[in-house]
Amino acid sequence: AQSVTQLGSHVSVSEGALVLLRCNYSSSVPPYLFWYVQYPNQGLQLLLKYTSAATLVKGINGFEAEFKKSETSFHLTKPSAHMSDAAEYFCAVSDYGGSQGNLIFGKGTKLSVKP
Amino acid sequence: ETGVTQTPRHLVMGMTNKKSLKCEQHLGHNAMYWYKQSAKKPLELMFVYNFKEQTENNSVPSRFSPECPNSSHLFLHLHTLQPEDSALYLCASSQDKVGNTIYFGEGSWLTVV
Repeated sequence: AQSVTQLGSHVSVSEGALVLLRCNYSSSVPPYLFWYVQYPNQGLQLLLKYTSAATLVKGINGFEAEFKKSETSFHLTKPSAHMSDAAEYFCAVSDYGGSQGNLIFGKGTKLSVKP
Repeated sequence: ETGVTQTPRHLVMGMTNKKSLKCEQHLGHNAMYWYKQSAKKPLELMFVYNFKEQTENNSVPSRFSPECPNSSHLFLHLHTLQPEDSALYLCASSQDKVGNTIYFGEGSWLTVV
């Protein structure tokens, strides 16, 4: 069965600092991996998606994530945080065991950005 | 503008009321989902519909009753809810194929009083 673990329910960085949000996955088959962002009072929006085409995936708003099979990780990074990046971030993996289109989500990491 | 529209955005209801949440997707997808998002809990999948047929029901209490009249519309009928059912209810859609992106609506905030 697939699963994801997000380390750290809350991460705080200063504006301009590196953002690193951690995600580890468990999957017995090659995974499809996703990062979603949720701004206050909104639904989830896709940031980026790994589909095995390239291990380094670039997303919207300057975010990127690197798939590392040996570490079963898919950490999200951004070189320089902006105040507008404050949101909650969810890592997800495709659910091969259930409905084909479903995703299994991590618990989320809330990112705070200090001025 | 999102391709998945949910109404109402906010709903307050008493424990004896009957209300419904509505979702419509304009993306041509064949699968639709209801998720529940509570404070301090991970996103919970409630129901999945594929081509209007329910394919998953994750042990959801019967006071939540989904309806999918066609591939573009999904309802969640609510009756005799409990205060602990207060949460953000998210509708989503996708093509029912492994690896496809799920697109979410903005959610309906439900408060049960």
